[in-house]
Amino acid sequence: DGGITQSPKYLFRKEGQNVTLSCEQNLNHDAMYWYRQDPGQGLRLIYYSQIVNDFQKGDIAEGYSVSREKKESFPLTVTSAQKNPTAFYLCASSMTGGRGGEQFFGPGTRLTVL
Amino acid sequence: GENVEQHPSTLSVQEGDSAVIKCTYSDSASNYFPWYKQELGKRPQLIIDIRSNVGEKKDQRIAVTLNKTAKHFSLHITETQPEDSAVYFCAATPGGGADGLTFGKGTHLIIQP
Repeated sequence: DGGITQSPKYLFRKEGQNVTLSCEQNLNHDAMYWYRQDPGQGLRLIYYSQIVNDFQKGDIAEGYSVSREKKESFPLTVTSAQKNPTAFYLCASSMTGGRGGEQFFGPGTRLTVL
Repeated sequence: GENVEQHPSTLSVQEGDSAVIKCTYSDSASNYFPWYKQELGKRPQLIIDIRSNVGEKKDQRIAVTLNKTAKHFSLHITETQPEDSAVYFCAATPGGGADGLTFGKGTHLIIQP
């Protein structure tokens, strides 16, 4: 299960606070992704990055921000503008960006807003 | 954008029987269709995938079929076992040159002993 890690496993946030979720991979993958999963729902794409210093919005980017300063790292910040941030957040990576590559998922971070 | 519909939301089968989960997609430009298995509280794990130039793919008890004309694909699990109990997600690539996957809402597969 190694190769892509996320921290922390659980995160609690007060309303109005920004929090940053960590995602690191040592698979030498070019592409990285952030998904959000709500109970009884499929995964929804927040942001993705195909190369360092470049990233694109997914289907539900509002209230989130990302950076890709290193190939290995793709942190996600959940801002106070995200109205309903309580969810399970999953990071994934793929050898190459574009369509048709297997995505490997991290273990996830469960964020709860108090 | 891409839209993926998945049915049924819950499927209960007797151990040893077969299970079939069906998905439809909207974007005819999609060309990659993976299936993921997710156990409670765990990460999704790829179990099988298929590309648009292939109609069927098998891996032991698991098979996936793709009908590009009808824009649907299905997961078939034969000789089901207790460890097959999980939530299964289908997914498809988006069109328009975008990246990432669009997922169905999942099927909770229950294997009855």
